[in-house]
Amino acid sequence: AQSVTQLGSHVSVSEGALVLLRCNYSSSVPPYLFWYVQYPNQGLQLLLKYTSAATLVKGINGFEAEFKKSETSFHLTKPSAHMSDAAEYFCAVSERGNNRLAFGKGNQVVVIP
Amino acid sequence: GAVVSQHPSRVICKSGTSVKIECRSLDFQATTMFWYRQFPKQSLMLMATSNEGSKATYEQGVEKDKFLINHASLTLSTLTVTSAHPEDSSFYICSAREMGRGTEAFFGQGTRLTVV
Repeated sequence: AQSVTQLGSHVSVSEGALVLLRCNYSSSVPPYLFWYVQYPNQGLQLLLKYTSAATLVKGINGFEAEFKKSETSFHLTKPSAHMSDAAEYFCAVSERGNNRLAFGKGNQVVVIP
Repeated sequence: GAVVSQHPSRVICKSGTSVKIECRSLDFQATTMFWYRQFPKQSLMLMATSNEGSKATYEQGVEKDKFLINHASLTLSTLTVTSAHPEDSSFYICSAREMGRGTEAFFGQGTRLTVV
């Protein structure tokens, strides 16, 4: 069964500084990997996804993530944080041929002016 | 892009009553829909997978008689919380995959259920 580990439930970052959210996964088969963002009392919005094409994936709002098979990681980055980036971020994995998504515990990002 | 609409966004009900939550794919057909529950400050926990025209597959520990799922058409799935209790208060989110386009799941806006 697949699983995701996200460390550090709360992440504080200064406006304009690098945003780095770590995600490590466990999967018995090649995975699909996703990052979602959630604003208060809303559903999830897809930031980006990895589905076996380029290992460096660019998403919306200036975010990108790199799939590293050797490290079983899919860390999310953004070069310069904006106040509007304050939200909850979830990493998720699904196994190819399996519809089910497994989510990490999430990172609450706080942007400090 | 694909849109999933969930209704209602908020509902307050009395203990012992039942509440129905709807999840609709507005511009695509979804053979599979998923229902999640999210506790405050926590991740999404998959409750069940709903397939059009067949019985839902429930995750371990989820009471199928309490959380009734119906997926009667390719664009609509419903979750009914029966005989609701305060411990059922939570944020419920549905998602749907577009038929024939496998990798991405689109999420509804979520429903905040409060049982008083």
